[in-house]
Amino acid sequence: GAVVSQHPSWVICKSGTSVKIECRSLDFQATTMFWYRQFPKQSLMLMATSNEGSKATYEQGVEKDKFLINHASLTLSTLTVTSAHPEDSSFYICSASDPRPYGSYEQYFGPGTRLTVT
Amino acid sequence: AQSVAQPEDQVNVAEGNPLTVKCTYSVSGNPYLFWYVQYPNRGLQFLLKYITGDNLVKGSYGFEAEFNKSQTSFHLKKPSALVSDSALYFCAVRDPQNTGFQKLVFGTGTRLLVSP
Repeated sequence: GAVVSQHPSWVICKSGTSVKIECRSLDFQATTMFWYRQFPKQSLMLMATSNEGSKATYEQGVEKDKFLINHASLTLSTLTVTSAHPEDSSFYICSASDPRPYGSYEQYFGPGTRLTVT
Repeated sequence: AQSVAQPEDQVNVAEGNPLTVKCTYSVSGNPYLFWYVQYPNRGLQFLLKYITGDNLVKGSYGFEAEFNKSQTSFHLKKPSALVSDSALYFCAVRDPQNTGFQKLVFGTGTRLLVSP
């Protein structure tokens, strides 16, 4: 099946610094990628939809200036948490949409990135 | 807008017994329905999906789910639970007819605990 990777798997950073998380589709081209945030013992909250070559679409309540998303190629999307604060500590998961077979657009999920801001 | 409800925060079952994790949905059109499993500090693993066709869908690791349109349900089942099935299970729905058709809406998750 399709494989999606995330890097890093965990990161600790100091308050006020920026952190970049990469999401890659390894064996398929993903025109659309999604970024989710998951708090402990809670469901996944969609943050934004990332389309290759265009600006990301953010969900209501998500600060686009704080969570910068770039989808520069068909296999790579990045999420940058700018000026991180402790409340940004969370588990971030990406997924990539595979249009094969025709029109299915099934989402494949990365393993997640644990961000801890101290 | 589509929505998913998982009414149980936790399901407890003894190993070897059948298990059911409940899911109901709401969409305006015909739904695409999914079940995912999540182990601690890991991403989501796909279990099975219903797009069209046979209402009984078989998936990975012996799991199956039954699409019931009249009850708008898509309950996850397994005939004989294993301790290794203990994890967090998410039901999700996609409405292919709507704008943003690729978006998945997740339920709140159900923790399955299988005791030896």
